[in-house]
Amino acid sequence: KAGVTQTPRYLIKTRGQQVTLSCSPISGHRSVSWYQQTPGQGLQFLFEYFSETQRNKGNFPGRFSGRQFSNSRSEMNVSTLELGDSALYLCASSLTQGTDTQYFGPGTRLTVL
Amino acid sequence: EDQVTQSPEALRLQEGESSSLNCSYTVSGLRGLFWYRQDPGKGPEFLFTLYSAGEEKEKERLKATLTKKESFLHITAPKPEDSATYLCAVLTGGSYIPTFGRGTSLIVHP
Repeated sequence: KAGVTQTPRYLIKTRGQQVTLSCSPISGHRSVSWYQQTPGQGLQFLFEYFSETQRNKGNFPGRFSGRQFSNSRSEMNVSTLELGDSALYLCASSLTQGTDTQYFGPGTRLTVL
Repeated sequence: EDQVTQSPEALRLQEGESSSLNCSYTVSGLRGLFWYRQDPGKGPEFLFTLYSAGEEKEKERLKATLTKKESFLHITAPKPEDSATYLCAVLTGGSYIPTFGRGTSLIVHP
């Protein structure tokens, strides 16, 4: 069974630009969560989508948004990029909302110059 | 507020030198505790899920155990390829969002 895939794997942007990251969950998984990982803050939860609806949201500004499509694929958007947004963005999928094990993708490394 | 603390922050071992990593938590209503392995620049790889005190799970050189306040990841006769950051996360009764610890960076020297 194919794992979680994320595209692109690497991205370089400049301040003020916006970016869209994509995540395809494991086949049959309906819940997708997004995390930001930095050396200073560790893994921080951004939001979770289930059945095309945002179910939970972490403590991030409104510049961070996302959506989920009917095939469970998800996108995350960051507008007006700041230097501090440089991070590894991870997507994780699980069978359903609130179920235990989350399986992570390889991540998208975003660098903001 | 749920808290997860992992110790030590970093650990250096010689190949074959067994040791344990600790994950202590202060949460209400633990629903599950998860261990992940993360290699540099990659996403966390799932290792184990533990649900109740006394539960143990094994995979190759790794064994995870759970008590009411902490979990241990025991590494027996480690090899250099076991070098990675090991993350612990907990899921509690009132939340669908797992809380992650900061991880233990393990380096195994040949």
